[in-house]
Amino acid sequence: DSGVTQTPKHLITATGQRVTLRCSPRSGDLSVYWYQQSLDQGLQFLIQYYNGEERAKGNILERFSAQQFPDLHSELNLSSLELGDSALYFCASSVAGTGNHYGYTFGSGTRLTVV
Amino acid sequence: EDQVTQSPEALRLQEGESSSLNCSYTVSGLRGLFWYRQDPGKGPEFLFTLYSAGEEKEKERLKATLTKKESFLHITAPKPEDSATYLCAVQPNTGNQFYFGTGTSLTVIP
Repeated sequence: DSGVTQTPKHLITATGQRVTLRCSPRSGDLSVYWYQQSLDQGLQFLIQYYNGEERAKGNILERFSAQQFPDLHSELNLSSLELGDSALYFCASSVAGTGNHYGYTFGSGTRLTVV
Repeated sequence: EDQVTQSPEALRLQEGESSSLNCSYTVSGLRGLFWYRQDPGKGPEFLFTLYSAGEEKEKERLKATLTKKESFLHITAPKPEDSATYLCAVQPNTGNQFYFGTGTSLTVIP
């Protein structure tokens, strides 16, 4: 157990729907990062939050949004889902806003299947 | 543009057959290079961090090395339990995000 908790582990939904993925960072970590991993593209950075504020943005679609709450857990909202959004979504956390010696600590991911 | 390329994409080794995985990177300034191991359906697990050319880190049968343009992950006398995908990531001096390669899928055959 890495200490980063992601729920749900699996999610199957239809095209056009909206889903919310949840992440609780490791205790003491202030930064949360969201990554998408698809078979052909590897890990793609989506967005980072640090202590409740957006810190960095990557290749995140306008249909996707995220937030980090006062208790530091984070949610990734995916709307108007398309088949191509099917992927593993990982949350990672770190103490600082810039990562640390150990890089990130990753959760076990949420597998999203859009049918 | 910051970029990470890993090769080969896939590697099959006999148990005990040593080999190396490559990670080539282009980054404006390197804050750190990270190696991770990822098992199927799981999140990446941290292995090593390298900061400067010439640096080496070792852990059991794995040794990571770094030059100004690339990093190698050497696997000595691998065992079947070393089978996994090995990911390389770089963190540039500017910005907070990591850039990941697409990984090398290693299979060690008993």
